[in-house]
Amino acid sequence: DSGVTQTPKHLITATGQRVTLRCSPRSGDLSVYWYQQSLDQGLQFLIQYYNGEERAKGNILERFSAQQFPDLHSELNLSSLELGDSALYFCASSVDGLDDYEQYFGPGTRLTVT
Amino acid sequence: GESVGLHLPTLSVQEGDNSIINCAYSNSASDYFIWYKQESGKGPQFIIDIRSNMDKRQGQRVTVLLNKTVKHLSLQIAATQPGDSAVYFCAELRGRDDKIIFGKGTRLHILP
Repeated sequence: DSGVTQTPKHLITATGQRVTLRCSPRSGDLSVYWYQQSLDQGLQFLIQYYNGEERAKGNILERFSAQQFPDLHSELNLSSLELGDSALYFCASSVDGLDDYEQYFGPGTRLTVT
Repeated sequence: GESVGLHLPTLSVQEGDNSIINCAYSNSASDYFIWYKQESGKGPQFIIDIRSNMDKRQGQRVTVLLNKTVKHLSLQIAATQPGDSAVYFCAELRGRDDKIIFGKGTRLHILP
């Protein structure tokens, strides 16, 4: 158990819909990262937050957005869902993401868009 | 695709033997490298990291080698065990505030 929690574990929704994935980092970790893992694209970095502010951006679509709240939990919002958005979404956290890059991954949320 | 890649998608190793998983990267500006292990149904798990000012780093049963001349990274697992069966990803980080780029992954299969 990494100490990172993600909810829900599974999510099935239809095209065009909007969903919110939630992540709680390990206690004391300030940095949160979101990743998408699909069979054809592998593990893709989406976005990183540090202490409530966006720190780095990866291959995140405009239909996707994220935020980190004062209690350090984070949410990833996916809107206008397409079939190709079906994937595993992982959240990871690290102490600060500045000089310490050791990331701890949550169990993931499996999103299926039908 | 991204610059981080893996030479072999699947590696089969006899239990007890040493495993070597290879990774190539293309950006000489990358200054930090990480190996992750992902078991079936779980999130990736940090194994070991290495900074670009080092060429070798050892952990428990694992060693990471970095050859900056040929932009090559390898993960050596000593005395491979059934619990080592997983997909292994290398990842690179380019600069302090830059994104981490993962390779496609190599599946390690342990033969009895």
